[in-house]
Amino acid sequence: GAVVSQHPSWVICKSGTSVKIECRSLDFQATTMFWYRQFPKQSLMLMATSNEGSKATYEQGVEKDKFLINHASLTLSTLTVTSAHPEDSSFYICSAPRGAISEQFFGPGTRLTVL
Amino acid sequence: QKEVEQDPGPLSVPEGAIVSLNCTYSNSAFQYFMWYRQYSRKGPELLMYTYSSGNKEDGRFTAQVDKSSKYISLFIRDSQPSDSATYLCAMRGSTLGRLYFGRGTQLTVWP
Repeated sequence: GAVVSQHPSWVICKSGTSVKIECRSLDFQATTMFWYRQFPKQSLMLMATSNEGSKATYEQGVEKDKFLINHASLTLSTLTVTSAHPEDSSFYICSAPRGAISEQFFGPGTRLTVL
Repeated sequence: QKEVEQDPGPLSVPEGAIVSLNCTYSNSAFQYFMWYRQYSRKGPELLMYTYSSGNKEDGRFTAQVDKSSKYISLFIRDSQPSDSATYLCAMRGSTLGRLYFGRGTQLTVWP
């Protein structure tokens, strides 16, 4: 099956710093990628849709200036958490659709801990 | 009311048992229904995909969709300890539409 990678797999940072998370589609091109966050024992919450070559579309309640998304190429989307705070600590997962039915392939996730 | 409702469990069964997982939804526009399996600290992986109503079988897994009742199910036969994971239902209205996820049901299969 298609592979989506994320880097880093985990990160610990100090409050106030910025953290960049990369999402790559390894064997296919993706004009669209999705970013989710997931709290313990909770479902995936869609944060934004990343569009190659254009601005991301954010879900209601998600701060655009805090969660910067850049989809610079057909295989790479990045999520930057700016001025991170402890409440931003979460599991961030990306996905990319592929195929006739746009099956979504998920990355392994990035666990962010903000101290 | 949430778009998709799923009992979070936890659900604990002995090896070999038949497991039934369910979701209900409110949006009649949903046509594509999926079940994902997520191991701890990993991303979800697609298990089953069904379009509209009906059944679909893949090995030990059977997915059922009843659009008239807005109810979907996943059955796991001869459950194994390796099936222990969180199972998320997901659905959308079109192939390009966003996915709406259930909360996930945590399943433990003990030997």
